[in-house]
Amino acid sequence: SYVLTQPPSVSVAPGKTARITCGGNNIGSKSVHWYQQKPGQAPVLVIYYDSDRPSGIPERFSGSNSGNTATLTISRVEAGDEADYYCQVWDSSSDYWVFGGGTKLTVL
Amino acid sequence: QVTLKESGPVLVKPTETLTLTCTVSGFSLSNARMGVSWIRQPPGKALEWLAHIFSNDEKSYSTSLKSRLTISKDTSKSQVVLTMTNMDPVDTATYYCARIAVDIVAGIRYYYGMDVWGQGTTVTVSS
Repeated sequence: SYVLTQPPSVSVAPGKTARITCGGNNIGSKSVHWYQQKPGQAPVLVIYYDSDRPSGIPERFSGSNSGNTATLTISRVEAGDEADYYCQVWDSSSDYWVFGGGTKLTVL
Repeated sequence: QVTLKESGPVLVKPTETLTLTCTVSGFSLSNARMGVSWIRQPPGKALEWLAHIFSNDEKSYSTSLKSRLTISKDTSKSQVVLTMTNMDPVDTATYYCARIAVDIVAGIRYYYGMDVWGQGTTVTVSS
């Protein structure tokens, strides 16, 4: 089965740039989606199709995907960005969705 | 406005069957560009995909839970139902339904992620 690997935690100071990685075998050949989940709330889609933003998501959120790593980048980090972030792909070879283990973003 | 709302029992006993309903509004389950998925999250743990269904009744299931899951839809009622048999305490979790946005080009489906989620419903498995 396809596995997505995320770092358990990332810390960043306000105003700096946070980068959250998602590793998977040849993940660059798949479309990666990213979700933000704040405590007690449902996940929210923040990036789809590697690098597209849904309406209402700030331009500070961006994504990239190449080789074996996809990356969610959050520029000019704010306290309100503190949350868990999950990457996700559709594994077409097995017909199922895969989530990464999640990364807790802490704003120092 | 697109919304999804989960409903079902708060507490189930071990070995019982869980039935959850996702009632959607703002879009139709007959829309070929949209599907509905179920996802769960045990307390303090990661998201886990369970199943999805599309307008043509195409279904997919988590490999590890396939034998216990059944997903179905009632388009006229705008509802998607998930049943999970033989519940165990490890199945204690918040269960979410979410809309899947897709595009279809030359007959190939491209998945745009789960763009709208329900608030989730918490299910505890205990005797």
